[in-house]
Amino acid sequence: EAGVTQFPSHSVIEKGQTVTLRCDPISGHDNLYWYRRVMGKEIKFLLHFVKESKQDESGMPNNRFLAERTGGTYSTLKVQPAELEDSGVYFCASSQEDLNTEAFFGQGTRLTVV
Amino acid sequence: QKEVEQDPGPLSVPEGAIVSLNCTYSNSAFQYFMWYRQYSRKGPELLMYTYSSGNKEDGRFTAQVDKSSKYISLFIRDSQPSDSATYLCAMTEANNLFFGTGTRLTVIP
Repeated sequence: EAGVTQFPSHSVIEKGQTVTLRCDPISGHDNLYWYRRVMGKEIKFLLHFVKESKQDESGMPNNRFLAERTGGTYSTLKVQPAELEDSGVYFCASSQEDLNTEAFFGQGTRLTVV
Repeated sequence: QKEVEQDPGPLSVPEGAIVSLNCTYSNSAFQYFMWYRQYSRKGPELLMYTYSSGNKEDGRFTAQVDKSSKYISLFIRDSQPSDSATYLCAMTEANNLFFGTGTRLTVIP
């Protein structure tokens, strides 16, 4: 069974550009989470989808970030326009039930804004 | 003040040593206490989790929770070079995960 996969693994963009990160959850997992780790800090929650609906987006830093999960399958996280402080590693996780104890993480997308 | 505090290390031990990794927390509402292992360029992998105060053992790993002191530990017995990774503690409140910064562990053959 394929795990959670994220694309790209690494992205380097200039300040002001747009970047779209993608997450493919484990098949059948209704719950999808986005997290972010900026340099030297802890991993922090961004938002949580249940199927295609946003269950909790309290961790989204500002309106430059837009997450979607059309059809309840894969999800995208768009940053527009990117700023230097957006650099970090973005993780996606998925679970069948709404339980963090059963969530599986992807390998992350390392975003560098220069 | 961070909700979860974890010594970032790095921590280097010889193969076969007992490793102790620790986190403290300030939020009494935390429900589940978890330990993740993260290899370089990989995502966090859940090692084990506990709900109540006390010890939980899984092979060479023992998770310990002391809710009265707001302190959790992960012990690794007979450490192996393959245990070299970053270990993250995490805790849940209302199904939100709060992570520590992680401790980088190196087990030297």
